Amino acid sequence: TQLLEQSPQFLSIQEGENLTVYCNSSSVFSSLQWYRQEPGEGPVLLVTVVTGGEVKKLKRLTFQFGDARKDSSLHITAAQPGDTGLYLCADPTGGGNKLTFGTGTQLKVEL
Amino acid sequence: KAGVTQTPRYLIKTRGQQVTLSCSPISGHRSVSWYQQTPGQGLQFLFEYFSETQRNKGNFPGRFSGRQFSNSRSEMNVSTLELGDSALYLCASSLGGTGETQYFGPGTRLLVL
Repeated sequence: TQLLEQSPQFLSIQEGENLTVYCNSSSVFSSLQWYRQEPGEGPVLLVTVVTGGEVKKLKRLTFQFGDARKDSSLHITAAQPGDTGLYLCADPTGGGNKLTFGTGTQLKVEL
Repeated sequence: KAGVTQTPRYLIKTRGQQVTLSCSPISGHRSVSWYQQTPGQGLQFLFEYFSETQRNKGNFPGRFSGRQFSNSRSEMNVSTLELGDSALYLCASSLGGTGETQYFGPGTRLLVL
């Protein structure tokens, strides 16, 4: 089972700032997913990356998959309070629909 | 289309008791997975059911069990509750094929006293 380490663990920033969170593993990912979980809700899938070096954009969010497929990053431009939540990376290749989640980054964006 | 629903949303039990949690998937979804979320261990996979059969299982003791009914609704049961079982229990549903997008419910918050 892959161990997915995310950093930083906590992040508190002001509205308008940029930030990057990371997801790392000692093993190669076949693919990787990013989720956001808001308080009182379950995680919601943001993106799936498959190809090494791949970059995907979702409005102000930019996801990058490392060339060696052992790491990924999520960059948020001009963060807004609505971006507040727990960001989780996940390996979706554990068999069936099993997801192996990373340790998570708790983001708080303040006005 | 209604999302994944979980009942109850909150539950308080005492050590040694048992508990049953329910999950109703999105209409047409045949796969239901269960996860446990705690501050210390994060989000961990419990098991997945597809067409009433357990398709995959995580690394949890036998006190944790589940089942799926013919209408794809699923229940999970935890027997002989321990303090460490206090957690948010999430279920997720998908159409059923491997690697398909999973949709999570809001979870059941279980507190064991």
